[in-house]
Amino acid sequence: DVKVTQSSRYLVKRTGEKVFLECVQDMDHENMFWYRQDPGLGLRLIYFSYDVKMKEKGDIPEGYSVSREKKERFSLILESASTNQTSMYLCASSYLAGGAGELFFGEGSRLTVL
Amino acid sequence: GEDVEQSLFLSVREGDSSVINCTYTDSSSTYLYWYKQEPGAGLQLLTYIFSNMDMKQDQRLTVLLNKKDKHLSLRIADTQTGDSAIYFCAESSTGYSTLTFGKGTMLLVSP
Repeated sequence: DVKVTQSSRYLVKRTGEKVFLECVQDMDHENMFWYRQDPGLGLRLIYFSYDVKMKEKGDIPEGYSVSREKKERFSLILESASTNQTSMYLCASSYLAGGAGELFFGEGSRLTVL
Repeated sequence: GEDVEQSLFLSVREGDSSVINCTYTDSSSTYLYWYKQEPGAGLQLLTYIFSNMDMKQDQRLTVLLNKKDKHLSLRIADTQTGDSAIYFCAESSTGYSTLTFGKGTMLLVSP
């Protein structure tokens, strides 16, 4: 069964802390994505990657960075967490580029920044 | 930029049909998707339609596409309480574009 695993389901951090959200997929997919989901705003794309060590900014990259050192792993980094980054973070992967194929999602990481 | 709009909430009774509507602005949209998100879970692909089709049926699901009006709908026949979820419409064009999601429609099915 195909799987996208996000390491933490729930995190509570303090303002100014550095936060790492890890995502691993076991499908050998080239493409990986990080979204945040907020009530009334839907899903917004933060960063995506089409290959190892490659990254592209999405619609809301400010305050975030990413790392893709291995094909199966895509990490989202909040260098200095702020309260407005309290949200649900969803990782996804796909076999085909961009929107040409199905996105497989992890279960999400709910981050609260105090 | 591209925009995808859908109503935020729909309530139906068990056994009725549900129709969730979506409009999009990108005339070059090639792929149109419906994703389902159950409580506490990520999104799962429910169905999709290519822009050269106007209808697709898959068991209880019917997708209708009106390309002229840029309108997409998802009909769920004989809606069950297990269909209660958030349904996201999404679109993309060919090549290396990413998906644009709507804000999601919360479907509540009451017994």
